Amino acid sequence: GAGVSQTPSNKVTEKGKYVELRCDPISGHTALYWYRQSLGQGPEFLIYFQGTGAADDSGLPNDRFFAVRPEGSVSTLKIQRTERGDSAVYLCASSFGGLDYGYTFGSGTRLTVV
Amino acid sequence: QKEVEQDPGPLSVPEGAIVSLNCTYSNSAFQYFMWYRQYSRKGPELLMYTYSSGNKEDGRFTAQVDKSSKYISLFIRDSQPSDSATYLCAMSYNQGGKLIFGQGTELSVKP
Repeated sequence: GAGVSQTPSNKVTEKGKYVELRCDPISGHTALYWYRQSLGQGPEFLIYFQGTGAADDSGLPNDRFFAVRPEGSVSTLKIQRTERGDSAVYLCASSFGGLDYGYTFGSGTRLTVV
Repeated sequence: QKEVEQDPGPLSVPEGAIVSLNCTYSNSAFQYFMWYRQYSRKGPELLMYTYSSGNKEDGRFTAQVDKSSKYISLFIRDSQPSDSATYLCAMSYNQGGKLIFGQGTELSVKP
C-alpha cells in the first residue's frame, strides 16, 4: 500500500480484556517499529522488528505486552489483561532499515480501556 | 530526568514570523537527530534529518545540531497557518534503531 496501515483506528475495551492491534507496513520495508503515545507526550518506543525477529524489545513495559511479525510483513501488538493505564495511541512505523529516508508512521490505533 | 527535553508550549505566532523550536538531551551517544511534524490524529512525519553536528536547510526549515552543548534547534521562516502542528524532536544512537522523542511543542500560526 501507499502508507502504513493500522487497524482498528479506534478500540474501546473493558479492563482485563485482551486486545490485538494490527500494523500493515509499506511493502518492502524490512524494519517495523511500535510506539505508544500518551496525551501530550511524544511517542515512546516499545519494540522493533528487523524481518521476522524482534531486534529490540526493551521498551515493552511488562509481560502483558507482546508483538509478533511471523512473515516479516504484518505485525500484531497483543495486550493481555488490559489496564486503564494502557489507554494511549499505539503507533506503528516502518522503514528500509536505516534513517536516511526516515520512518513512515501510520495514523495509529487509539486504545481506550474503560 | 528525561533523556530528551522539549518545551511543550503551546507556542502561538503570527503568520510570517520566524519560529524557533529547541530540544536538549543528556546522552552524548546520540548521533542522529530528527524533527517530526504531527498533525492532530495523525502519525508523525519526518521534516528534517541530521547526522552529528551542523546545519541543514530545506526550504523554509533549518535544523541545527550542537553536540558540544547537547542542543538541537529547528527554525521555520515565513511561518504559515498550515505549519500549525506539534513538532517533535527525535534522536537515535544508530541507524535503524529506536528513536527517543521529546515531548513535542504545539505550534499555532495565526493568519
